[in-house]
Amino acid sequence: NAGVTQTPKFQVLKTGQSMTLQCAQDMNHEYMSWYRQDPGMGLRLIHYSVGAGITDQGEVPNGYNVSRSTTEDFPLRLLSAAPSQTSVYFCASSYSQGPYTDTQYFGPGTRLTVL
Amino acid sequence: SQELEQSPQSLIVQEGKNLTINCTSSKTLYGLYWYKQKYGEGLIFLMMLQKGGEEKSHGKITAKLDEKKQQSSLHITASQPSHAGIYLCGADRANDYKLSFGAGTTVTVRA
Repeated sequence: NAGVTQTPKFQVLKTGQSMTLQCAQDMNHEYMSWYRQDPGMGLRLIHYSVGAGITDQGEVPNGYNVSRSTTEDFPLRLLSAAPSQTSVYFCASSYSQGPYTDTQYFGPGTRLTVL
Repeated sequence: SQELEQSPQSLIVQEGKNLTINCTSSKTLYGLYWYKQKYGEGLIFLMMLQKGGEEKSHGKITAKLDEKKQQSSLHITASQPSHAGIYLCGADRANDYKLSFGAGTTVTVRA
């Protein structure tokens, strides 16, 4: 199993540009989520999904969109990049619907810089 | 506001010495996770605690959950250079799929 994969690993954008961060898992996990990690802030939940076709907002959803058309993929879209979105983005997945009942597996992260 | 407080923010320990990291929640804990992160990499799951008083060990790393205090501690015995990294606690505080994380504790192990 490849586990949770994320692409790209690094990305530089200009303010106003849009892009999609890709996340895929091959473990048949129902629950997937996106976090951003900023210095001194820990990880903050952006969006999450409890299964294909179902998504919901986390703590910091503004400026981001998600969709879940398949169990395997959970892309994160930045609609109009802003410098405040400079961060490291992590995708995670777990088997059960409740994160407290199962281990979350994390991808290696995408480092995004918005100029 | 940070709802999961980790302390200390960072620590330096001599190889072979013990260390303890604390994670305190301002809300009820339904599950508490400990992860380790090396710089530039993703998070590696260490262990999960669910019940008050629960204690788990993985090698030289032991974690305990004090439900009453809404606090968890991570203890490393006889630290080694491989223990260096950032340790993060995460918790489900409302049984609503939304996991919150502490800011992390950076551990440096000096040879």
